[in-house]
Amino acid sequence: EDQVTQSPEALRLQEGESSSLNCSYTVSGLRGLFWYRQDPGKGPEFLFTLYSAGEEKEKERLKATLTKKESFLHITAPKPEDSATYLCAVPPSGSARQLTFGSGTQLTVLP
Amino acid sequence: DTGVSQNPRHKITKRGQNVTFRCDPISEHNRLYWYRQTLGQGPEFLTYFQNEAQLEKSRLLSDRFSAERPKGSFSTLEIQRTEQGDSAMYLCASSSSTGRETQYFGPGTRLLVL
Repeated sequence: EDQVTQSPEALRLQEGESSSLNCSYTVSGLRGLFWYRQDPGKGPEFLFTLYSAGEEKEKERLKATLTKKESFLHITAPKPEDSATYLCAVPPSGSARQLTFGSGTQLTVLP
Repeated sequence: DTGVSQNPRHKITKRGQNVTFRCDPISEHNRLYWYRQTLGQGPEFLTYFQNEAQLEKSRLLSDRFSAERPKGSFSTLEIQRTEQGDSAMYLCASSSSTGRETQYFGPGTRLLVL
């Protein structure tokens, strides 16, 4: 069965304290891994798509990497405005269009 | 680019009532998706349209749920005989069939069934 597991469930960091979020997946034939950011009461906001092992994408203080079994979202010198829930998602086996999401990591960056 | 819009943003209803939500996708996107999200969980796929055709439906989409996209533009999601377990955020997303097909989400409609 396809699964997407994110860890930790919650993470509290001091401003400037770098860390990483993990997304592990089990799916046959990965056709992309998607990272989204979600603020409370809002819809997910697209961040990155990764398609092959070894691929990396960067945006401001965020960098996403991909291996054959997991993806990491590295946050360098975070600021309070980076506080949000970060979601990862993959298309499940047998479907080209829908996404299967993990439960997310709730990140809080303290000033 | 005006983004995906959803209306209403909030809906409170009594158990047993019917509710309808609307989604307007990004104008050039021909693919449209509905998801449901409960507190502390990621979005769960409900259904997907390409143009006006409904091509995928989740087993989560019970007989009380129906979705339409009559002219391949906006879409509606109707829930009949609402139950307290239907309380959730209903999210709409759209994508283009060209390029990388990234799904862009709207702000969601939060439903509370009393």
